[in-house]
Amino acid sequence: AQSVTQLDSQVPVFEEAPVELRCNYSSSVSVYLFWYVQYPNQGLQLLLKYLSGSTLVKGINGFEAEFNKSQTSFHLRKPSVHISDTAEYFCAVNGRNSGNTPLVFGKGTRLSVIA
Amino acid sequence: NAGVMQNPRHLVRRRGQEARLRCSPMKGHSHVYWYRQLPEEGLKFMVYLQKENIIDESGMPKERFSAEFPKEGPSILRIQQVVRGDSAAYFCASSPPGNSYEQYFGPGTRLTVT
Repeated sequence: AQSVTQLDSQVPVFEEAPVELRCNYSSSVSVYLFWYVQYPNQGLQLLLKYLSGSTLVKGINGFEAEFNKSQTSFHLRKPSVHISDTAEYFCAVNGRNSGNTPLVFGKGTRLSVIA
Repeated sequence: NAGVMQNPRHLVRRRGQEARLRCSPMKGHSHVYWYRQLPEEGLKFMVYLQKENIIDESGMPKERFSAEFPKEGPSILRIQQVVRGDSAAYFCASSPPGNSYEQYFGPGTRLTVT
């Protein structure tokens, strides 16, 4: 079984400042890792995913994340945020080689970008 | 290629009524997952279905909730005798066989129980 902890429920940040949203996971097996974004009253959109290979993963909208196996972390970063990045961000995990299994989500981090 | 479709987008029911939520997966996807998002919470898995089969319903409440994915037509999540605590956003995701990491989400149905 897997679990995901998003350490910050809310992150306010000024426009054009850098941001890091933290995510830690636990699992007894190797995992795939994901970040999703949810804009108000909308569904989830995949930002990026780690399946294998390079531990630094680049996604859409200028976001990137780094998989750290020893620290069981998958923190999301953006060097300069925009007002349009204001949204809820969810980290999720899926057991590798588990076939079709559901995603396990963290509780989310609400990013508020301040002008 | 149309994405995952869910309808209705918003549904209002009075306590005791039935709610039916529909999900049409992406073309070529034979696996459907239902998740529920309560206010201020992340998404919680409810049920995983393939055509005509329930594979995993470990996240479904034991009473009043049921799901199906018939051979023809959309997947249906049914909630009987709704209560206020059922108010939430219900999301459907679909994936192709063998690749559950490729889950594509629909826009969700927001259920309000009055």
